[in-house]
Amino acid sequence: NAGVTQTPKFRILKIGQSMTLQCTQDMNHNYMYWYRQDPGMGLKLIYYSVGAGITDKGEVPNGYNVSRSTTEDFPLRLELAAPSQTSVYFCASSYRDYNSPLHFGNGTRLTVT
Amino acid sequence: AQSVTQLDSHVSVSEGTPVLLRCNYSSSYSPSLFWYVQHPNKGLQLLLKYTSAATLVKGINGFEAEFKKSETSFHLTKPSAHMSDAAEYFCVVRIGSSNTGKLIFGQGTTLQVKP
Repeated sequence: NAGVTQTPKFRILKIGQSMTLQCTQDMNHNYMYWYRQDPGMGLKLIYYSVGAGITDKGEVPNGYNVSRSTTEDFPLRLELAAPSQTSVYFCASSYRDYNSPLHFGNGTRLTVT
Repeated sequence: AQSVTQLDSHVSVSEGTPVLLRCNYSSSYSPSLFWYVQHPNKGLQLLLKYTSAATLVKGINGFEAEFKKSETSFHLTKPSAHMSDAAEYFCVVRIGSSNTGKLIFGQGTTLQVKP
């Protein structure tokens, strides 16, 4: 099994550009999440989804959008990139079970200059 | 508000001595709690999880954690630190009822292991 796959691994954007971070999982997980990780700040939840067609805001949703048209895919969209969005982004998924742990992708390192 | 707090941003121990990483949570519901580890420039790996079946939870690599409801704590321990344990550790709590998928991370604790 591939698990959770994120693309790209690295990206450099100019201020104001747009891009989509891709995330796909092949474990038939209902729940999917996007986190960003900044030094000394832990991981902050951006958006999450409990199933296809259902998304909800996390702790830091401003500047981002998501969609969940299928169970497998959960892309994260940055419309107008800003330097504050320089971070490492992690996608994760889990079963629809209260005690189900997260399965993480390998991360996308994004730099906005 | 429902949240999770890791009480130490940095912990330094000598190899062979015990490790204690502290985590307190706040939740209106019976919590679901996890510890994850992240080695430098690596992804996140599950160490252990609390499922209400037992208050003392054993995880990988000799780590364990004890759930104490009266203290709202879920501290991570290991009897004897190895150099390979040097990493970032995150306490994670599921926020809300059993129907919500929202998982919130603590700020992280950097564990340094000295030879």
